[in-house]
Amino acid sequence: GQNIDQPTEMTATEGAIVQINCTYQTSGFNGLFWYQQHAGEAPTFLSYNVLDGLEEKGRFSSFLSRSKGYSYLLLKELQMKDSASYLCAVRDSNYQLIWGAGTKLIIKP
Amino acid sequence: GAGVSQSPRYKVAKRGQDVALRCDPISGHVSLFWYQQALGQGPEFLTYFQNEAQLDKSGLPSDRFFAERPEGSVSTLKIQRTQQEDSAVYLCASSLVGTGYETQYFGPGTRLLVL
Repeated sequence: GQNIDQPTEMTATEGAIVQINCTYQTSGFNGLFWYQQHAGEAPTFLSYNVLDGLEEKGRFSSFLSRSKGYSYLLLKELQMKDSASYLCAVRDSNYQLIWGAGTKLIIKP
Repeated sequence: GAGVSQSPRYKVAKRGQDVALRCDPISGHVSLFWYQQALGQGPEFLTYFQNEAQLDKSGLPSDRFFAERPEGSVSTLKIQRTQQEDSAVYLCASSLVGTGYETQYFGPGTRLLVL
C-alpha cells in the first residue's frame, strides 16, 4: 500500500528552527511537495523536490533522499504566523498526489 | 481570476438532500482536481479532469458522487442523497497543463456538514 508518515504535532519557540520529517512508501515517485495549511484555509504550495538534496527558499528549506524515502521541511527564524499544518505529498507513478495527514506546528512566544 | 474560487464556502444539508459544489479554476488552467479532506487529515483524491475530460474518478467513494466540467473551465461536484459520513471539506485544485508535473493551486474549499 501507499503510505506517507509525518508527526502529528510539533511545538517550537518564536525565532527558533524546526525540522518536520516525512517518510514515504509509494508506487513510483514523481516528486515530493510541501504545503502549508492554516486552519480553515486552502493548502498553499511551499516547495517541490524531485532530485536528492536541499532546496532553499528564504526561511524555508526542503530536503529529499529518494533512496531513503525521506524528506524534511526546515523552517528558520520562526514567526507566530508560521503556526499551521504542514502537509507532505508525493506524486506517484500515476501522477496522483498521495498526502500525509499533516503536522500541526504550534509556535510559542 | 487571481486564484481558485469555490462556492459555497459553507453548506449545511439534511441527510438525504442533494448538494452541488462549484469550483472556478485559475483562468487557462487545463487540469482540475477534487479532494475530500476530513478534519485533521490530509486531502484524499476524488477525481481529475483535463479540460472537459474526466480522466480519473477512482477516488469517488460511491455512485452518489458525480463531477462534471462540461466546458473545460468551471467544475461542479454533486453529491446525491447526502449521508453524515460525507461531512468534510471539499477542496478543488487546478494546474496549468496536463503533463502531471505541475504544482496544484488550491481553492479555499467548501465545508459540508450533513445533519
